Amino acid sequence: DAGVTQSPTHLIKTRGQQVTLRCSPKSGHDTVSWYQQALGQGPQFIFQYYEEEERQRGNFPDRFSGHQFPNYSSELNVNALLLGDSALYLCASRAAGQGDRYGYTFGSGTRLTVV
Amino acid sequence: QQQVKQSPQSLIVQKGGISIINCAYENTAFDYFPWYQQFPGKGPALLIAIRPDVSEKKEGRFTISFNKSAKQFSLHIMDSQPGDSATYFCAASSGDSWGKLQFGAGTQVVVTP
Repeated sequence: DAGVTQSPTHLIKTRGQQVTLRCSPKSGHDTVSWYQQALGQGPQFIFQYYEEEERQRGNFPDRFSGHQFPNYSSELNVNALLLGDSALYLCASRAAGQGDRYGYTFGSGTRLTVV
Repeated sequence: QQQVKQSPQSLIVQKGGISIINCAYENTAFDYFPWYQQFPGKGPALLIAIRPDVSEKKEGRFTISFNKSAKQFSLHIMDSQPGDSATYFCAASSGDSWGKLQFGAGTQVVVTP
């Protein structure tokens, strides 16, 4: 059973460009959250998608947007990239009705470098 | 501002020793407190979690102690092994904001042989 799959694994972009990151949730999961993890820091919540709608959002500017597809996969889009957007972007999934014991399953992330 | 404060930033423990990591929070609405383990190049993996209606939860060599009045919780790793060398994160979330995990800054644990 493949867990959470993220692509690409690494990406280098130039300031001002736009980027799209992709996530396939674990089989049976329908809720996807995105996190940004700067080097040496804990993950910071960006937003969460359920039933193809953004349900919650963290303190991130509108340059960060997302989408969830009918097959539960998700995309994270970042426009007008800044150097400070360089980070590991993590996707996490769970089944909405799942108990606490299983929590969220995280992918290995996409390492974005903005130059 | 960081809603979950974690300490220490790093610690070194000998094989067989006990690793203790502490976290404190301010938001009394938090009602779910998980701990995650992260290895280099990997995403965080859930280790153990607790709700505030219990003061302690043990799973294998990992124990969470929870002090609701002090708004603090800690992770104890008993009989630490070199394979436990990783970064550990505490986190918290609330029922009215389910799924939005607030993470601590992390503790890098090194277990020496």
